[in-house]
Amino acid sequence: QVHLEESGGGLVKPGGSLRLSCAASGFTFTDYSMSWIRQAPGKGLEWLSCVSPGNKHTMYADPLRGRLSVSRDDAKRSVFLQIDNLRAEDTAVYYCATENYFKSEYWGRGTLVSVSS
Amino acid sequence: QSALTQPPSASGSPGQSVTISCTGTSSDVGAYDYVSWYQQHPGKAPKLMIYEVNKRPSGVPDRFTGSKSGNTASLTVSGLQAEDEADYSCASHAGGGIVIFGGGTRLTVL
Repeated sequence: QVHLEESGGGLVKPGGSLRLSCAASGFTFTDYSMSWIRQAPGKGLEWLSCVSPGNKHTMYADPLRGRLSVSRDDAKRSVFLQIDNLRAEDTAVYYCATENYFKSEYWGRGTLVSVSS
Repeated sequence: QSALTQPPSASGSPGQSVTISCTGTSSDVGAYDYVSWYQQHPGKAPKLMIYEVNKRPSGVPDRFTGSKSGNTASLTVSGLQAEDEADYSCASHAGGGIVIFGGGTRLTVL
């Protein structure tokens, strides 16, 4: 049974940084790229970043390029997202998901990041 | 990389069919057959309903069908049921490994 669990969210002050983690189980981790997707309150989904097995390739959405850093530890079946210089508009639920041929079949429940002073 | 355009809302009565559109450009929807659709109930994670324009993952009812014409993709839900009431989002590959989403459509079953 596939399970993805995000952690690391919380309340952060503007300008701060956060490192989100996602632990995966129930599938062959190295068969999938892993993505981060967020959803601001009352808004639509926004794809942020993706990392391929072995950290061979990393991709970022242009609006956030420069503030994001994605990585994974295949041995620990985990994926990470570092977000720097956080702003109020970064407040959102952050999901990790599998990505295979540009589709996300499995999703975690998400972790809430709130940016406020 | 602008978001794909979806109508904010759609509705239909039980048993009817409803179609939700997703309009992109020749650089995303029009360029690749990597359009997917996600269903999201309030407070829940999204669920993949359609991928590669018109393919259904195992377990998704065949009442859900996808199609594409030019720069516009569509999701049709036939035989509407109460449990179909949810938000639906489209997504497309936009080149360079990037994925873009639509703004989402709230489907109401009247």
